[in-house]
Amino acid sequence: AQKITQTQPGMFVQEKEAVTLDCTYDTSDPSYGLFWYKQPSSGEMIFLIYQGSYDQQNATEGRYSLNFQKARKSANLVISASQLGDSAMYFCAMREGPKAGNNRKLIWGLGTSLAVNP
Amino acid sequence: ETGVTQTPRHLVMGMTNKKSLKCEQHLGHNAMYWYKQSAKKPLELMFVYNFKEQTENNSVPSRFSPECPNSSHLFLHLHTLQPEDSALYLCASSQDVHPAVNSPLHFGNGTRLTVT
Repeated sequence: AQKITQTQPGMFVQEKEAVTLDCTYDTSDPSYGLFWYKQPSSGEMIFLIYQGSYDQQNATEGRYSLNFQKARKSANLVISASQLGDSAMYFCAMREGPKAGNNRKLIWGLGTSLAVNP
Repeated sequence: ETGVTQTPRHLVMGMTNKKSLKCEQHLGHNAMYWYKQSAKKPLELMFVYNFKEQTENNSVPSRFSPECPNSSHLFLHLHTLQPEDSALYLCASSQDVHPAVNSPLHFGNGTRLTVT
């Protein structure tokens, strides 16, 4: 079973509007972290934002915020005021704690391609 | 120069060629990684190095041969590759090989490899 699921292969958003990219995860470890990365066409994976399983508040980093719903095991990325430069692939990833026994490897989703229209 | 640097950015090679990918990190990290990114597949972890010592080899074919002379440099030597090895190869680093739950990986730009 997939541990990280990104159900939207592609998304479109109008410039200056907000967009939500979905990510659901599966783990039985109470300690885990969730990451979002951006990959422009240049290829580099750029770390955007992190949410810990014990964090009481949703993470925010500038125009990026995480809608973390622990009971539903979802960690959706919200990009506010979209810019043309936001067009890229976006990946959700999870690192489980030591109880998972996988050496704290990052587990990746398949990504969502976001296109920002002018 | 900061971050993680990979060279070359693009590489086209025949199946009988030998080539090498290079990665250098300027972050003072102790762990370095090679990942393979293919279309419609999750990122695949290939190799992990900690303080120059290989700690993981995820069943990677022997035609891929990693080398880590020090904590800042990582190479991937390629020989007798197959067309299905065409992919984006990403190098990454982290402070520790078993990072804290909240520790992100830092990636380079990748090498786009095409095997003809």
